[in-house]
Amino acid sequence: NAGVTQTPKFQVLKTGQSMTLQCAQDMNHNSMYWYRQDPGMGLRLIYYSASEGTTDKGEVPNGYNVSRLNKREFSLRLESAAPSQTSVYFCASSGRGQGATKSTDTQYFGPGTRLTVL
Amino acid sequence: GDSVTQMEGPVTLSEEAFLTINCTYTATGYPSLFWYVQYPGEGLQLLLKATKADDKGSNKGFEATYRKETTSFHLEKGPVQVSDSAVYFCALRAGGTSYGKLTFGQGTILTVHP
Repeated sequence: NAGVTQTPKFQVLKTGQSMTLQCAQDMNHNSMYWYRQDPGMGLRLIYYSASEGTTDKGEVPNGYNVSRLNKREFSLRLESAAPSQTSVYFCASSGRGQGATKSTDTQYFGPGTRLTVL
Repeated sequence: GDSVTQMEGPVTLSEEAFLTINCTYTATGYPSLFWYVQYPGEGLQLLLKATKADDKGSNKGFEATYRKETTSFHLEKGPVQVSDSAVYFCALRAGGTSYGKLTFGQGTILTVHP
């Protein structure tokens, strides 16, 4: 099992450009999350999807959109990137689904995407 | 709302020293508490957890006890090794949620010198 995978690992954008960060999990988890990590601020939740077909705003949703494409995949889109969105982005998953592996209440994280907006 | 406060870092120790990283929380009800570790260039990994008062989570020589009376979940290890150098995050999940939305502390950078 690969766990949680994210693409790309690194990205540099110019202000105003758009891009989509991809996330996939192979643990049959119901819930998926997008966080951003900034120095001295820990991880802050951008959006989450409690189950397939639902998405909800987290603590810092402005400037982002998400799509829960299916149970495995949860993408994060920046429509018009701004320098304030320079950060490291982490995807995570948790929860029990039919045939799910691993713990129900533990979040499993991907390796992250380092995004720089110039 | 829920919040987690960790001790200010960075923390620098010599190998074989004893480690304590303080974590206190504010939450309604009975949250679950977690410590995550992030090694350089990697994502977060669960280190240990506790789901109810007086539970002790432990893993890889690290321990933390869920203290409801002091709303704390301090991380301890003794002795530390160079390989323990990482960023440590305390986090909580609100009680009663069927999915695992977490609230994180700001993280504590630990550097262990030989």
